[in-house]
Amino acid sequence: GDSVTQMEGPVTLSEEAFLTINCTYTATGYPSLFWYVQYPGEGLQLLLKATKADDKGSNKGFEATYRKETTSFHLEKGSVQVSDSAVYFCALISGGSNYKLTFGKGTLLTVNP
Amino acid sequence: ETGVTQTPRHLVMGMTNKKSLKCEQHLGHNAMYWYKQSAKKPLELMFVYNFKEQTENNSVPSRFSPECPNSSHLFLHLHTLQPEDSALYLCASSQDRYGYTFGSGTRLTVV
Repeated sequence: GDSVTQMEGPVTLSEEAFLTINCTYTATGYPSLFWYVQYPGEGLQLLLKATKADDKGSNKGFEATYRKETTSFHLEKGSVQVSDSAVYFCALISGGSNYKLTFGKGTLLTVNP
Repeated sequence: ETGVTQTPRHLVMGMTNKKSLKCEQHLGHNAMYWYKQSAKKPLELMFVYNFKEQTENNSVPSRFSPECPNSSHLFLHLHTLQPEDSALYLCASSQDRYGYTFGSGTRLTVV
């Protein structure tokens, strides 16, 4: 079946540091890939997505590239801010799963001033 | 993108109470979901509805009773809950492979 593996953290960075959160996946066919973010006390928000190989999703300074050869979708940001402190979830949807969203376990990011 | 509205945002209920959570979407999505998010646990998918029909129930106790009267509305009826049912309950909707849209959640506390 489909699965997503992401670094569990927690990750603690200083403001303006570079961020990478690794995500790899196993899926049938050609899945769509997503990063969701959950700020404290809130629901999940879609941060970015990519629907085919070599696509790059980007939003709010975050980027992730769909790498089919390494089955990866790593999240990066060049300079994090305190306001980026949140839990980040990598996820996928594949047609073989009746379009069910499969999540990683989430990575808690804390950015200190 | 909000698109999915959940009410109430916070709910405190006693173990003998009956209450309902409401979820509404006007995105034209055909599928709706209930998730449970407990502290330090992965997200748990509870129920799935496609075109108003329940297509998945992940061994959820009968004290949780979902209802989907149309493709835009989803309810979760609660009765005789336990303290361990305290959690954030998230509703989501989706259309095929284009991703899910989540509501802000209902923070439920059972006392």
